[in-house]
Amino acid sequence: KAGVTQTPRYLIKTRGQQVTLSCSPISGHRSVSWYQQTPGQGLQFLFEYFSETQRNKGNFPGRFSGRQFSNSRSEMNVSTLELGDSALYLCASSEWRGASYNEQFFGPGTRLTVL
Amino acid sequence: GQQLNQSPQSMFIQEGEDVSMNCTSSSIFNTWLWYKQDPGEGPVLLIALYKAGELTSNGRLTAQFGITRKDSFLNISASIPSDVGIYFCAGCWNSGNTPLVFGKGTRLSVIA
Repeated sequence: KAGVTQTPRYLIKTRGQQVTLSCSPISGHRSVSWYQQTPGQGLQFLFEYFSETQRNKGNFPGRFSGRQFSNSRSEMNVSTLELGDSALYLCASSEWRGASYNEQFFGPGTRLTVL
Repeated sequence: GQQLNQSPQSMFIQEGEDVSMNCTSSSIFNTWLWYKQDPGEGPVLLIALYKAGELTSNGRLTAQFGITRKDSFLNISASIPSDVGIYFCAGCWNSGNTPLVFGKGTRLSVIA
């Protein structure tokens, strides 16, 4: 079974631009979560989608948004990029089995550099 | 956002030595997880702990869920060069897919 794939792997943008990152979950996984990883703050939860609906949201400004499609693929968008948005953006997919913990499988990430 | 206190931040050890790292939180978690991240890759789950006091092994790795539910440790025995990487602890509250809260990681270097 193929793992979580993220595209692109690397991206360079300038301040003020916007960017869209894509994540394809493991086949059969319906939940997709996004995390931001930086040296200073570590791994921080951005948001989680299930059945095309945002289920949880982390403490990030409204410039960060996402969506999920009917095939469970997800995209996240960052508008009006700032230097501090430079980070590794990780996507994780999992099955949805109710109240028990559902293991999240991470993709390799998209390295975003904002100049 | 909330984070876990993970220590040490980095370790340099000789091949064959044992390693111990731990994680503490001001909040109670229902699940503790330990991940390893290699350069250019996403984190990979090593061990999951679901019950206070639980001690679980995965090969040379052993992890425990603290009885207070606010801490966990990971031990690696007889380290080898491929153990090099960044180890993260993470906690979550069992409720569907609640988000993971991560520690800042322990960077492990193994000297052959």
